[in-house]
Amino acid sequence: GAGVSQSPSNKVTEKGKDVELRCDPISGHTALYWYRQSLGQGLEFLIYFQGNSAPDKSGLPSDRFSAERTGGSVSTLTIQRTQQEDSAVYLCASSLNRGPYEQYFGPGTRLTVT
Amino acid sequence: QKEVEQNSGPLSVPEGAIASLNCTYSDRVSQSFFWYRQYSGKSPELIMSIYSNGDKEDGRFTAQLNKASQYVSLLIRDSQPSDSATYLCAVIRNYGGSQGNLIFGKGTKLSVKP
Repeated sequence: GAGVSQSPSNKVTEKGKDVELRCDPISGHTALYWYRQSLGQGLEFLIYFQGNSAPDKSGLPSDRFSAERTGGSVSTLTIQRTQQEDSAVYLCASSLNRGPYEQYFGPGTRLTVT
Repeated sequence: QKEVEQNSGPLSVPEGAIASLNCTYSDRVSQSFFWYRQYSGKSPELIMSIYSNGDKEDGRFTAQLNKASQYVSLLIRDSQPSDSATYLCAVIRNYGGSQGNLIFGKGTKLSVKP
């Protein structure tokens, strides 16, 4: 079946602009995760959705970051007033809401803030 | 102390040899452990999961878990140049069950020389 999809694959934006990143999880996966991967920083967790609710937003780096999920499927990560330090690859993963909780990643969105 | 630690490498092995990748974790209550492979410019790909002490084999890959020592490893037998990638160890941070976000190590870069 189809894997996790993300769009756009690349996004270049000017500092101060808002951006929206989209994730479409594997069909039937109720859990959805956003991660960020920066050079030298490794993979860091941002936010987790179970259905449409986000029980854990602890990884969001500032209040400029927000995310929502509708219909238990597609999720959007929004970054307002982008800064250069927001440049990274943003990765989405999804999993079933039961064991073995294996998470499968999408191809990512490479965000460059100029 | 970092939550998940790996040697950054690079680890260089000749083609056909066994590659041994190691990982330690700090949270004793962790229950679920994963190895991801990440090729340059690509997203992480799940290759192994392990939940119980002992060995788990899948083709040329064997994952080993020792919860008493808080240690997990990945062995790659008959290494091929196509195995050259960064290998990421990940542990689930539980939400009181088994669901949760992944905590990643920084990864070990493996190079298999023909």
